[in-house]
Amino acid sequence: GQSLEQPSEVTAVEGAIVQINCTYQTSGFYGLSWYQQHDGGAPTFLSYNGLDGLEETGRFSSFLSRSDSYGYLLLQELQMKDSASYFCAKDGGFQKLVFGTGTRLLVSP
Amino acid sequence: NAGVTQTPKFQVLKTGQSMTLQCAQDMNHEYMSWYRQDPGMGLRLIHYSVGAGITDQGEVPNGYNVSRSTTEDFPLRLLSAAPSQTSVYFCASTTGGLVGGYTFGSGTRLTVV
Repeated sequence: GQSLEQPSEVTAVEGAIVQINCTYQTSGFYGLSWYQQHDGGAPTFLSYNGLDGLEETGRFSSFLSRSDSYGYLLLQELQMKDSASYFCAKDGGFQKLVFGTGTRLLVSP
Repeated sequence: NAGVTQTPKFQVLKTGQSMTLQCAQDMNHEYMSWYRQDPGMGLRLIHYSVGAGITDQGEVPNGYNVSRSTTEDFPLRLLSAAPSQTSVYFCASTTGGLVGGYTFGSGTRLTVV
């Protein structure tokens, strides 16, 4: 079964900042990835945290704390096109990814 | 580069039929995986491969077989389709090391009636 917990839905307005949290079980953990998926589309890679700390890529940042078994994705200056589902995924070794159930982000004008 | 190509895009099967979902990548990636995605759920790993000739089971392998005879191709076989296998199937590949992430195909929408 799934070993990662995410909120099911988050809502925000354009221009705002939103944080999507992810907690995971520590067994077989090597790192945390984040993927974006628009309705009807394929997942696309956003970021990977192999070490504790913050990784920044443009408007998106991702954070990992191994001691807390916790990570988050931070989206800044939200745009309508950011409305999508966001998945955290645990690196279980051998490049094997186990995904959370996803967070649906709704951005309103 | 075409990336990861999945065929067919849509398929309807009758219960008990068998079929193969095709997946090919032209990026010389070592690692390939098959996932299924059901409504309201995340992607669940079916099978994965760390290189030609090497495959292993994921979270939900029952009812599916895979083989990896070449680096490029990683077909997924449904042995005897069941309605519970109605889902969207995604194939993905990576060069090794998750820093660059997996590249996903566009998916196959399978309905078993």
